[in-house]
Amino acid sequence: EVQLLESGGGLVQPGGSLRLSCAASGFTFSSYAMAWVRQTPGKGLEWVSSMSASGGTTFYVDAVEGRFTISRDNSKNTVFLQMDSLRVEDTAVYYCAKDSNRVRPNTFDFWGQGTMVTVSS
Amino acid sequence: IVLTQSPGTLSLSPGERATLSCRANQSLVNNYLAWYQQKRGQAPRLLIYSASRGATGIPDRFSGSGSGTDFTLTISRLEPEDFAVYYCQQYGSSPPSITFGQGTRLEIK
Repeated sequence: EVQLLESGGGLVQPGGSLRLSCAASGFTFSSYAMAWVRQTPGKGLEWVSSMSASGGTTFYVDAVEGRFTISRDNSKNTVFLQMDSLRVEDTAVYYCAKDSNRVRPNTFDFWGQGTMVTVSS
Repeated sequence: IVLTQSPGTLSLSPGERATLSCRANQSLVNNYLAWYQQKRGQAPRLLIYSASRGATGIPDRFSGSGSGTDFTLTISRLEPEDFAVYYCQQYGSSPPSITFGQGTRLEIK
């Protein structure tokens, strides 16, 4: 059974930093790209970032480029999202998602339960 | 690529047929369009990919169609558990990126 377990969310002031983690199990982690998708409370979905299976290629939505960094540790089956220079508009539930592809962002066939990030003074 | 879903809310009764629309502002390469279902308090679930292919374990009452810029998700006979929010997603753009539609809420009439 595929499981994705996010952690690291919380309350942070504007300009602050947070690091999200997602521990994966139930599939060959090193064979699939991984992604972070966020959802503003009561609103829709926004793809944030993806990383290829090998970790050699990353993709970001323009709104977070230069502020967020995705990384992964294939030896620990974990993907991370380092979020710096956080803004109020980054407040959302952040989902970790398994991509169905190996390299470029594709479809997300498994999702975690999400972790809440609140940016507020 | 911008995806526009319609209607915003669809009110139907169990047993009825649901038709949800997703329109892209430019043609999608290889019809790379997916559909997700999200129930309250849960993560999204992949239903359809490549416009018309059912994801693993998805009941066959869910079907997708369309090409180019216009796509449709059809639920042939609504079950009580189908009332949820549905999102379309494109994944064929270059440079690679992902965008979602704003969602259609399917509610019980």
